[in-house]
Amino acid sequence: KNEVEQSPQNLTAQEGEFITINCSYSVGISALHWLQQHPGGGIVSLFMLSSGKKKHGRLIATINIQEKHSSLHITASHPRDSAVYICAVRRGNKLVFGAGTILRVKS
Amino acid sequence: GAGVSQSPSNKVTEKGKDVELRCDPISGHTALYWYRQSLGQGLEFLIYFQGNSAPDKSGLPSDRFSAERTGGSVSTLTIQRTQQEDSAVYLCASSLGLTGGTDTQYFGPGTRLTVL
Repeated sequence: KNEVEQSPQNLTAQEGEFITINCSYSVGISALHWLQQHPGGGIVSLFMLSSGKKKHGRLIATINIQEKHSSLHITASHPRDSAVYICAVRRGNKLVFGAGTILRVKS
Repeated sequence: GAGVSQSPSNKVTEKGKDVELRCDPISGHTALYWYRQSLGQGLEFLIYFQGNSAPDKSGLPSDRFSAERTGGSVSTLTIQRTQQEDSAVYLCASSLGLTGGTDTQYFGPGTRLTVL
């Protein structure tokens, strides 16, 4: 079992839909990151969480430390949100990555 | 520029050759990370530098891999006697290096390495 599990692996949504991507981890962490990677593009850090909830524009990230679970929500999704979303947990000096969720938003 | 830069952007080499990949972190960032993104395997940690401390090399896959960081700034990842399984995108990231690692990492565009 991977230390960081993401679901779903693939997600296709219609423009305007509310999207949720989940991340579960199995070990103690100091922080959790949500990253975005566009096809052929670099990686951008969306959020870094150690507790609670953060919001940036249409993106919301939550974390439940007791449940070892985090969710990334996208409200009013748009085709430009199409990308790979990666959950990563900080363990010591390193990030341990989930396999990523491939999101496609159709217009 | 203001972001993390990496060079070259693409590198094609023959099996058995040595390669050097370069990373220029954001000015003032004391923490620097190297990661590898292989097709079908996702992202994995390779090595971490923090200021003048000894680097955390726990992610390096073999002794053919080494990295250095000169003057607390530019870093070079060296792969000796490259193998086909080394083909991947090598990513560098930097951060302020806050205690506990609770700081945002800024990623470079990566170097795509292809070993023929």
